[in-house]
Amino acid sequence: NAGVTQTPKFQVLKTGQSMTLQCAQDMNHNSMYWYRQDPGMGLRLIYYSASEGTTDKGEVPNGYNVSRLNKREFSLRLESAAPSQTSVYFCASSGGARDEQFFGPGTRLTVL
Amino acid sequence: RKEVEQDPGPFNVPEGATVAFNCTYSNSASQSFFWYRQDCRKEPKLLMSVYSSGNEDGRFTAQLNRASQYISLLIRDSKLSDSATYLCVASTGGGNKLTFGTGTQLKVEL
Repeated sequence: NAGVTQTPKFQVLKTGQSMTLQCAQDMNHNSMYWYRQDPGMGLRLIYYSASEGTTDKGEVPNGYNVSRLNKREFSLRLESAAPSQTSVYFCASSGGARDEQFFGPGTRLTVL
Repeated sequence: RKEVEQDPGPFNVPEGATVAFNCTYSNSASQSFFWYRQDCRKEPKLLMSVYSSGNEDGRFTAQLNRASQYISLLIRDSKLSDSATYLCVASTGGGNKLTFGTGTQLKVEL
């Protein structure tokens, strides 16, 4: 089992460019999440998907869109990147309510 | 006020010491609580779930006080390998959304 995988590991974008961060899990989990982590701010939830076919906004959704492609995959899209979106992005999955979340290795994104 | 608050540290302790971290949460609807460990530039990993009045796992003990909305983590006989950032986490249950504290940094020294 690979657990939660994310691609790419690193990315540098110019302001205004778009990109999609990919996430996949092989644990047959229903719920998947996207977080960003910034110094002094902790992990903040961007979007989550409680089950296949549903997505909901988290604490900081502005500037992002998500797609729950199937049970395994949950992608995060930046349509027009801004320097404020420079961050480390983590994807996570869990089996359900009250279950622990398993995290991917993260994507380090820099927007110039 | 942040939903989950932690002392950022760093806590610098000698090997073999006992160290305790505290965490408070503001949402009284929070149902589940966790401690995650995060190494530098790595993903968070679950250290312990915290149930009812608390639980123990080897050198680690977690306590929950719902009346005071307070969670603690005690590490006994600290090892160099315990050096990391410890994240206090609360779940409100719906959709299993987690709220993370900003973390407490621990450095265990020789």
